[in-house]
Amino acid sequence: GDSVTQMEGPVTLSEEAFLTINCTYTATGYPSLFWYVQYPGEGLQLLLKATKADDKGSNKGFEATYRKETTSFHLEKGSVQVSDSAVYFCALTNYGGSQGNLIFGKGTKLSVKP
Amino acid sequence: EAGVAQSPRYKIIEKRQSVAFWCNPISGHATLYWYQQILGQGPKLLIQFQNNGVVDDSQLPKDRFSAERLKGVDSTLKIQPAKLEDSAVYLCASSPGSLGGTFSEAFFGQGTRLTVV
Repeated sequence: GDSVTQMEGPVTLSEEAFLTINCTYTATGYPSLFWYVQYPGEGLQLLLKATKADDKGSNKGFEATYRKETTSFHLEKGSVQVSDSAVYFCALTNYGGSQGNLIFGKGTKLSVKP
Repeated sequence: EAGVAQSPRYKIIEKRQSVAFWCNPISGHATLYWYQQILGQGPKLLIQFQNNGVVDDSQLPKDRFSAERLKGVDSTLKIQPAKLEDSAVYLCASSPGSLGGTFSEAFFGQGTRLTVV
């Protein structure tokens, strides 16, 4: 079945460091790919998404490019801030299955130190 | 715009007891989801409703879990009887899309943290 694998954390960085969180997927058809973020004490929020190959999603300085050839959707940010500390989830939905059924990775906890 | 509302935020029960969670989706959203998030894992879909009909409940443990969405708005998820392994955060989400349409985004509530002792 469809699945998402993302790098395990926790990841600890200093402020202004470069961030990469790796995400790869297995899916039939043409899934849409998402990054969700969960800040402490809050619900999951959509960070960015990409719906077809070579699309780049971006938001709040974060970027991820849908790479079909490597089945990847790695999350990057050039300069992290303390306020970026959160848990990040990579997810996919495949129109071949239930519409909008999100399949999530296990999450990566990011801690940014001042 | 009000978000997805869930209650209670926290619940502690003994094994074999029953528990119910409530969700009020964003107004006008046709699709409602219940996810289970066990500590250290990503959310896993339990059930998906389209209006008041079930679209997908293939991962719902039907011997103990039940869910309904009366009138296509609010939803309740019930566990009876609870087991220790049901300890998790139960997330409700909604999206405006309809079957055959374009899925854009699911909006999540803050979740209910259930501890079974």
